[in-house]
Amino acid sequence: NAGVTQTPKFQVLKTGQSMTLQCAQDMNHNSMYWYRQDPGMGLRLIYYSASEGTTDKGEVPNGYNVSRLNKREFSLRLESAAPSQTSVYFCASMSGAGSIEGTDTQYFGPGTRLTVL
Amino acid sequence: AQSVAQPEDQVKVAEGNPLTVKCTYSVSGNPYLFWYVQYPNRGLQFLLKYITGDNLVKGSYGFEAEFNKSQTSFHLKKPSALVSDSALYFCAVRDIVTGNTGKLIFGQGTTLQVKP
Repeated sequence: NAGVTQTPKFQVLKTGQSMTLQCAQDMNHNSMYWYRQDPGMGLRLIYYSASEGTTDKGEVPNGYNVSRLNKREFSLRLESAAPSQTSVYFCASMSGAGSIEGTDTQYFGPGTRLTVL
Repeated sequence: AQSVAQPEDQVKVAEGNPLTVKCTYSVSGNPYLFWYVQYPNRGLQFLLKYITGDNLVKGSYGFEAEFNKSQTSFHLKKPSALVSDSALYFCAVRDIVTGNTGKLIFGQGTTLQVKP
């Protein structure tokens, strides 16, 4: 099992360019999440998908869009990149947001390091 | 509002000594608490979690955490630190206010440095 995979690993964009970060999981998980990691701020949730066919905003959704393509894949799109979006982006998945008491564990991908010039 | 705090940006210990990485939380209702570790240029790896039951939770790589409800803390501990434990550690709490969506709220992270 590969677990959670992310592509690309690194990306440099110019301000105003667009790109899509890809995420896939092979654990048959229902829920998927996109976080960004910035120094001294921990991880902040951008968007999530509690189940296939649904997406919702997290803490910092501005400037991003997402697509839950199918159960395996959850992509994050930057339509017009800005320097403030320079960050490390992590995708995570979890078996089921509907589980009793929300006790499931989230599993993370290796991250995408994005620089916007 | 729910929140997690890791009061120390950095913890330094000598190899072989015990280590503690602190975490305090603020939630309404029962807390579901998690510890993750991030090695350089890697994703987050799950260490352990507290859901209910025994206040001392054992996890991967010899780590354990003690849940203290009265002090609203969930400190990560290891009896004997290894140089290879040097990494960034995150405490997180499950967000249950906005429904059962599985969202996590993370602390800002603590860098652990274990010196030989």
